Amino acid sequence: AQSVTQPDIHITVSEGASLELRCNYSYGATPYLFWYVQSPGQGLQLLLKYFSGDTLVQGIKGFEAEFKRSQSSFNLRKPSVHWSDAAEYFCAVGAGNKLTFGGGTRVLVKP
Amino acid sequence: DTEVTQTPKHLVMGMTNKKSLKCEQHMGHRAMYWYKQKAKKPPELMFVYSYEKLSINESVPSRFSPECPNSSLLNLHLHALQPEDSALYLCASSQNRDRSEKLFFGSGTQLSVL
Repeated sequence: AQSVTQPDIHITVSEGASLELRCNYSYGATPYLFWYVQSPGQGLQLLLKYFSGDTLVQGIKGFEAEFKRSQSSFNLRKPSVHWSDAAEYFCAVGAGNKLTFGGGTRVLVKP
Repeated sequence: DTEVTQTPKHLVMGMTNKKSLKCEQHMGHRAMYWYKQKAKKPPELMFVYSYEKLSINESVPSRFSPECPNSSLLNLHLHALQPEDSALYLCASSQNRDRSEKLFFGSGTQLSVL
């Protein structure tokens, strides 16, 4: 069975600074990997996904993620954070039609 | 139209009430999902419908009863819920059940059981 670990529960970053969110997965085959963002009381919005090919994936809102098979990681990055990036971020691994989510990382943005 | 619409947005119900959550999409997707999300926790899969047939039930208690009357609609009927069932209930859809690469989520129904 697949599993996802997001080691950081909270991250605080200053506006304009860079952001990196960590994600480690466990899955027996080649994984489908995703990053979702959720604002309070809202649904989830897909930021980016990885299936195969180029291990550096570009997403929406200026986010990118890098798949590293040797480290079983799929970390999310943004070079310069905006106040509107404050939200909960979930990494997920997909197998067929089932998504398994990590515990989430809450991002707080300081002015 | 790339939206999944859920109603109501908020619901408060007693433990003896019967209520229903509704979800609608008009993207031609043939797989629809219910997820439950407790506060400060990740979403957890409850049910998957594929071509209007229930394909996954993640051992959900029978007080939750899903229904898929057609390819655009998904309901979740609630009866005799417990306070611990209070959560955000998220509906999602995808092109078909084998393609989890693009799940579209609704904004959810925030349910409070008193």
